[in-house]
Amino acid sequence: AQKVTQAQTEISVVEKEDVTLDCVYETRDTTYYLFWYKQPPSGELVFLIRRNSFDEQNEISGRYSWNFQKSTSSFNFTITASQVVDSAVYFCALSELLSGNTPLVFGKGTRLSVIA
Amino acid sequence: DSGVTQTPKHLITATGQRVTLRCSPRSGDLSVYWYQQSLDQGLQFLIQYYNGEERAKGNILERFSAQQFPDLHSELNLSSLELGDSALYFCASSVVGTSGAGSSYNEQFFGPGTRLTVL
Repeated sequence: AQKVTQAQTEISVVEKEDVTLDCVYETRDTTYYLFWYKQPPSGELVFLIRRNSFDEQNEISGRYSWNFQKSTSSFNFTITASQVVDSAVYFCALSELLSGNTPLVFGKGTRLSVIA
Repeated sequence: DSGVTQTPKHLITATGQRVTLRCSPRSGDLSVYWYQQSLDQGLQFLIQYYNGEERAKGNILERFSAQQFPDLHSELNLSSLELGDSALYFCASSVVGTSGAGSSYNEQFFGPGTRLTVL
């Protein structure tokens, strides 16, 4: 069975600090996709990134970066120089890859509060 | 704006009642997923439809049902409502694409959600 664990329930940082959100996953599939979604206070789910299990290259997008390590089954998300607008709940998710049309398994989420 | 629409945005009802939540997927997306977000269970997959047919089932109660119509919009029906059904219900639609490696991927776009409150 697939499982995603986000051990950090809540994190609070001061603006401009760097913060890393942890995500550990379990799957028996050899091919899969990992995702991060952001849920701001308004409630919608915003897609941030997709990463497939073939590609362990880290990715950077502006202040966001992701570190995928298959050896430790982790897909961590770092926000550099955090801003108040980054305050949200962040979800890591996993889906099986082969059929390309499968539900997502979500972690419980990490609530990030960035204080000015 | 993800392109996925959900109505209504808020719904307040009483225990024992029945409600219908509606979702319109992005243009061209054949798959629709329903998820429930509650405080104690987190974000859970309920059910998936693909081009009108049920594709996968998750932790969906027997009191809940769904369908996808020929125009691809979907409805989630919740009946005999209980206090514990209060949650945020999301619909997502997905595009299945092909990556450079030739593998298919599943990118799901979520609607704004329907917040259901059962009193």
